[in-house]
Amino acid sequence: DVKVTQSSRYLVKRTGEKVFLECVQDMDHENMFWYRQDPGLGLRLIYFSYDVKMKEKGDIPEGYSVSREKKERFSLILESASTNQTSMYLCASSFRRNTEAFFGQGTRLTVV
Amino acid sequence: EDKVVQSPLSLVVHEGDTVTLNCSYEVTNFRSLLWYKQEKKAPTFLFMLTSSGIEKKSGRLSSILDKKELFSILNITATQTGDSAIYLCAGTYGNKLVFGAGTILRVKS
Repeated sequence: DVKVTQSSRYLVKRTGEKVFLECVQDMDHENMFWYRQDPGLGLRLIYFSYDVKMKEKGDIPEGYSVSREKKERFSLILESASTNQTSMYLCASSFRRNTEAFFGQGTRLTVV
Repeated sequence: EDKVVQSPLSLVVHEGDTVTLNCSYEVTNFRSLLWYKQEKKAPTFLFMLTSSGIEKKSGRLSSILDKKELFSILNITATQTGDSAIYLCAGTYGNKLVFGAGTILRVKS
């Protein structure tokens, strides 16, 4: 079974802090994604990566950056956390383009 | 801009009812359409549709894609309380996976 693991289930951070969300997949998938999920807005794509060290902006990249130094790991970085970044963050991976994605369990981030 | 739109946004039905959830998408670079069910945490994969007019079925759930009219439907027959969830559809556009806002389904006993 594909396993996508996010490092934290719940996080509480202070405004202005630098926040790292980590995601690891164990199936040698090419593509990895970071989404945030807010009520009524669905899943919005922040960034995705289709190869090591490759990244592309999604629909809402402002305030975020990503890092993919190894194929199995995709990190989301909030350079200076703000209260409007309080959300559920979901990581996903897929084997290659146009295939189904598998999700991690999510990280609920609260910025106070 | 790649876009996926779902309707209705929410729905309340009684056990035993049949429901139809809708998903429309923009066409630029579109390759396939996926349906997911999300109960409490991570979305779980239901179907992937790439060809028009071919129904995919799993138990009481079925789905079909219309590439001419740019939409897909997800049908659930004889609904049960365990079907209560958010149903998400997504389009693959090259390496991107773009989701709609989801339909919140609540099945009352």
